[in-house]
Amino acid sequence: EAGVVQSPRYKIIEKKQPVAFWCNPISGHNTLYWYRQNLGQGPELLIRYENEEAVDDSQLPKDRFSAERLKGVDSTLKIQPAELGDSAVYLCASSLGGPHTDTQYFGPGTRLTVL
Amino acid sequence: GQNIDQPTEMTATEGAIVQINCTYQTSGFNGLFWYQQHAGEAPTFLSYNVLDGLEEKGRFSSFLSRSKGYSYLLLKELQMKDSASYLCAVVEAAGNKLTFGGGTRVLVKP
Repeated sequence: EAGVVQSPRYKIIEKKQPVAFWCNPISGHNTLYWYRQNLGQGPELLIRYENEEAVDDSQLPKDRFSAERLKGVDSTLKIQPAELGDSAVYLCASSLGGPHTDTQYFGPGTRLTVL
Repeated sequence: GQNIDQPTEMTATEGAIVQINCTYQTSGFNGLFWYQQHAGEAPTFLSYNVLDGLEEKGRFSSFLSRSKGYSYLLLKELQMKDSASYLCAVVEAAGNKLTFGGGTRVLVKP
């Protein structure tokens, strides 16, 4: 079974440029998460989707970050414009979903460097 | 909100045992996960505890005490490949939101 797929794996951009990350979750997983992980720290949740609905985006900096999951499968996270402090690894995770706690499975992440 | 503490770094010898502690303060609790993360790779699931007690899975065991807000991950018969960061994550009572600690970097030496 394929895991969570993310692309690109690495991205280097100059500040003020836009950037987008793509995620394909594990087949059949209804819940999708975007996390940001700074060096030497644990991941921090940015947004959580149940199917195509964003049910928790309280940690998403909405002035420059946006996300979508139009058909309830793939998702895109965008930053426009990027700032130096956005340099981090952006992780996508998915889980089966439902009312009970279930295990989140992570993709390899996109390492973003903003110059 | 959640406050999750774990040591930053630990060093141990191949074949030895290491215990990684995690303490948490939370207004709600719906379980605790441990993940392993090798440098530059995705976190991978190790264990989930929601009831008090010890869960054993091969060389790895995880313990939870809800009354003390405390968990540990025990790694036995350490191998070089166990050198990685170990992340403690607590599930809030509402929803499936994980809040991670900063991670403990374990270095296994020959």
